[in-house]
Amino acid sequence: GEDVEQSLFLSVREGDSSVINCTYTDSSSTYLYWYKQEPGAGLQLLTYIFSNMDMKQDQRLTVLLNKKDKHLSLRIADTQTGDSAIYFCAERGGSQGNLIFGKGTKLSVKP
Amino acid sequence: EADIYQTPRYLVIGTGKKITLECSQTMGHDKMYWYQQDPGMELHLIHYSYGVNSTEKGDLSSESTVSRIRTEHFPLTLESARPSHTSQYLCASSELAGIGNEQFFGPGTRLTVL
Repeated sequence: GEDVEQSLFLSVREGDSSVINCTYTDSSSTYLYWYKQEPGAGLQLLTYIFSNMDMKQDQRLTVLLNKKDKHLSLRIADTQTGDSAIYFCAERGGSQGNLIFGKGTKLSVKP
Repeated sequence: EADIYQTPRYLVIGTGKKITLECSQTMGHDKMYWYQQDPGMELHLIHYSYGVNSTEKGDLSSESTVSRIRTEHFPLTLESARPSHTSQYLCASSELAGIGNEQFFGPGTRLTVL
């Protein structure tokens, strides 16, 4: 079945770049997503990428998609303490079109 | 900002009680979802709905039930709460089809069953 894998923790210093990686299994996924969850809150869509794209940039965020390796990454430039959160990778899969989420990567930003 | 609401935000209740977690959205979305989130972060889809009078079970088996009598409202009910039901419950909604199929999430209900 479909599966999405991501590392559980990442720690960076303020001002550095953060790179969060994700692998997925469903090669028919049309959209891939990055969601952010701050403490005590629901998930918020950060960005998404269509499967026929290699890269998408939105201000400090850069998404890279390697469809051959089924690898997705999120790069946050100039990481700030406010970026500390859990980041979820997700793919749209299955006949129902529901999202399949990874387990989340907890990003800690040290001053 | 997403117009999706969940009440209560926090609930502490004794074993055996019946509880209903409320979820409402004002975006006119047809599709709605309930997720259970472990303390360790992982999200599990427990129920979803394509629209009024539609309810489907998700990937994780759950003792809870849902109903969808109105488009904007998707309550989740536990007939007899147990400590194993202690978790964060997240409601979400989306259009049936559309660019990105973005799911909008509510703030969650943190349930503790003693």
